[in-house]
Amino acid sequence: QKEVEQNSGPLSVPEGAIASLNCTYSDRGSQSFFWYRQYSGKSPELIMFIYSNGDKEDGRFTAQLNKASQYVSLLIRDSQPSDSATYLCAVILNKLVFGAGTILRVKS
Amino acid sequence: DGGITQSPKYLFRKEGQNVTLSCEQNLNHDAMYWYRQDPGQGLRLIYYSQIVNDFQKGDIAEGYSVSREKKESFPLTVTSAQKNPTAFYLCASSILRQQYGYTFGSGTRLTVV
Repeated sequence: QKEVEQNSGPLSVPEGAIASLNCTYSDRGSQSFFWYRQYSGKSPELIMFIYSNGDKEDGRFTAQLNKASQYVSLLIRDSQPSDSATYLCAVILNKLVFGAGTILRVKS
Repeated sequence: DGGITQSPKYLFRKEGQNVTLSCEQNLNHDAMYWYRQDPGQGLRLIYYSQIVNDFQKGDIAEGYSVSREKKESFPLTVTSAQKNPTAFYLCASSILRQQYGYTFGSGTRLTVV
């Protein structure tokens, strides 16, 4: 079992819709969870981090954490074509471990 | 502005040649990391360092070497022992507790010619 798993996608949503990206992790001891956005050919950019169960909102982005289910998700409201990118979930396991990423395509 | 600088942006390596990728940060971060990313894949950890003059192997250290002589600098050497070095290399840094995640440089794209 991979330490951090994501559906590779691509996930296609129409402009203005909510995009829902999901991630599961294997280590129940994980405490810190991150979402990075990576445009093609560029380096990852941190967009959200969450430590506690529940929701954390920042603008159009909401991170959701459920430690009992070992599940973290990212919701993007009012999706824009500029949100089209690969979204990487990452978990602290002594060091940051990344999932393989989910490709998001927002169609105008 | 604080940040991480990687150079060069593009690098071409001949068979049997060692090459060194530069990574410099002015964020006053204690920890630095090197990742490799292959097309369509996630990031895999090569080496990391939490303190000057000390570093640890990551998941795919074979064929690579690093040094950490200064807090600001963490160069990566891709040796001739690395048989498939063509990839996108990313350097990152963080505070020791890592609770704010990592800050990444802009990357170096290495190609074997």
